[in-house]
Amino acid sequence: DTEVTQTPKHLVMGMTNKKSLKCEQHMGHRAMYWYKQKAKKPPELMFVYSYEKLSINESVPSRFSPECPNSSLLNLHLHALQPEDSALYLCASSQVGAGEGETQYFGPGTRLLVL
Amino acid sequence: DAKTTQPNSMESNEEEPVHLPCNHSTISGTDYIHWYRQLPSQGPEYVIHGLTSNVNNRMASLAIAEDRKSSTLILHRATLRDAAVYYCILMDTGRRALTFGSGTRLQVQP
Repeated sequence: DTEVTQTPKHLVMGMTNKKSLKCEQHMGHRAMYWYKQKAKKPPELMFVYSYEKLSINESVPSRFSPECPNSSLLNLHLHALQPEDSALYLCASSQVGAGEGETQYFGPGTRLLVL
Repeated sequence: DAKTTQPNSMESNEEEPVHLPCNHSTISGTDYIHWYRQLPSQGPEYVIHGLTSNVNNRMASLAIAEDRKSSTLILHRATLRDAAVYYCILMDTGRRALTFGSGTRLQVQP
């Protein structure tokens, strides 16, 4: 099973709402990632978790709060977002210590619209 | 992060080979060259990667210049399903993250 699943597929939220994005993988990968992709732009890294610990935060605003409750799950909690945060949010996972570059497996993304 | 340069777009005809170039003149000795592609409305998908030697897999071939300052992704027979944005990425395994450039949008004509 080489699948990364993300829920929900689509999300519309107001600027005062709190919502969460969920990502799951069952490949035994111990590194998980959040990327943000604006329309017609390449994905941009937001967070990296390694062995359930946050290892990279690309200076993401605090209204985005990641959480890795176990080795299979990655959440992104959203609060007080702005319309410019509307984007496709991609989750990915990879093995740790694979040496040659740790191929990343991506989910289909959650398309978020902030009104 | 070392930077890559790719053409914005390329066109190919179905069942013909496609050569997608990538320049990475500031590559360091520990950077792996990765290629991912993103089909419409999907997340990126791994294609191939290499360090110094040319690589082949079921999806594509990767030709790496001797000085490693450039590489070429080769799709041997393009199909309509290969229409996607192809990203050439230099990966420092110490950082464990992908820094995507702007990529090449490949259009495949029937």
